[in-house]
Amino acid sequence: GAVVSQHPSRVICKSGTSVKIECRSLDFQATTMFWYRQFPKKSLMLMATSNEGSKATYEQGVEKDKFLINHASLTLSTLTVTSAHPEDSSFYICSATGTLVYNEQFFGPGTRLTVL
Amino acid sequence: GDSVTQMEGPVTLSEEAFLTINCTYTATGYPSLFWYVQYPGEGLQLLLKATKADDKGSNKGFEATYRKETTSFHLEKGSVQVSDSAVYFCAGYAGGTSYGKLTFGQGTILTVHP
Repeated sequence: GAVVSQHPSRVICKSGTSVKIECRSLDFQATTMFWYRQFPKKSLMLMATSNEGSKATYEQGVEKDKFLINHASLTLSTLTVTSAHPEDSSFYICSATGTLVYNEQFFGPGTRLTVL
Repeated sequence: GDSVTQMEGPVTLSEEAFLTINCTYTATGYPSLFWYVQYPGEGLQLLLKATKADDKGSNKGFEATYRKETTSFHLEKGSVQVSDSAVYFCAGYAGGTSYGKLTFGQGTILTVHP
């Protein structure tokens, strides 16, 4: 149990285009999902927290108009990188927590975004 | 605010060597503590956890004990394998108004040679 999937696993796009990344909890209801960004050989940086049915809470310094987060159901959250630029290239990881195990987050496998 | 400090890497060991990766935390209360492992190109997997003082988490030969007196949660393994090569993250969850938000350490790269 407690599987979180991400799609796509890898995406390459041109500068100026938008990219959508999906995060799904496959076998539990995720009341809260988190989006992280990880730079090479660095730790995870929390970008935002999203609760199902409400607006995401962004961490300081994260542009909410650039990184659009939608958590429309208890099993799906999406991160859209709008007007992507090369500096947005990174590894994006989502995680989910819910009623399955208290205090525990379950992580997706990550999405490698490369903006040319 | 809460913070987690990990031993800086990278750590390079020979197979069957003993492993210790230090982790200390600073928090207003007593958070739940976790060790996550990240294999190359993958997301994070929970390795072990402890939710209160003196709890010992263990999995796949790894152990860590939640020491309240030293605010530490050091990761240990008696005999590492090449397959243990990965990045290890210590993390804490404080709960309360920051529900669900994990605070991560900076990560420690472990390389095990045959």
